[in-house]
Amino acid sequence: DIQMTQSPSSLSASLGDRVTITCRASQDIGNYLTWFQQKPGKSPRRMIYGATNLEDGVPSRFSGSRSGSDYSLTISSLESEDVADYHCLQSIQYPFTFGSGTKLEIK
Amino acid sequence: EVQLQQSGAELGKPGTSVKLSCKVSGYNIRNTYMHWVNQRPGKGLEWIGRIDPANGNTIYAEKFKSKATLTADTSSNTAYMQLSQLKSDDTAIYFCAMGWELGYWGQGVMVTVSS
Repeated sequence: DIQMTQSPSSLSASLGDRVTITCRASQDIGNYLTWFQQKPGKSPRRMIYGATNLEDGVPSRFSGSRSGSDYSLTISSLESEDVADYHCLQSIQYPFTFGSGTKLEIK
Repeated sequence: EVQLQQSGAELGKPGTSVKLSCKVSGYNIRNTYMHWVNQRPGKGLEWIGRIDPANGNTIYAEKFKSKATLTADTSSNTAYMQLSQLKSDDTAIYFCAMGWELGYWGQGVMVTVSS
């Protein structure tokens, strides 16, 4: 199975900060990487697909990038509504596998 | 508008089975894959498996091969997951999701296993 190593597990940042969350794939997954946002008590919401493509309706402060086997989700200027858990998912090979998640809080 | 509506919360006794449903509106499930994902209390997301409703073909994560059975009824545009031989460790929220990259999600259903 492909392992997705997500870091950090938790992150506390100030409003307006630039925030980056990373997932490292144990094997080549091409651009089959999706980022989800999950607010407390809610279902996950797809934010980024294909590693870099912004889902319709997602604020432009969110972006996705890739460097080798490292995939990053960046929030350019943190807002209070961004407080959530974030998860990555690889979908190039079955079984699909998620990262362990990142809890983002406001400092 | 695409919507996935899951059935209500379940309370199951150890050793029994439960069957969860996920009714899709706004899209024909014949044209997509339906996935199931769980989330144990305070934990991350875990992919269980997926079904191709057009032909019933299923793929499961290894640890769920004896636990989950995925089916779909294209006439009612509904996907199902049966969980068998329930144990306390199966207590979790179970989500259905649609599309290759899980673009649409149900609201989730809490399954509690307790005697």
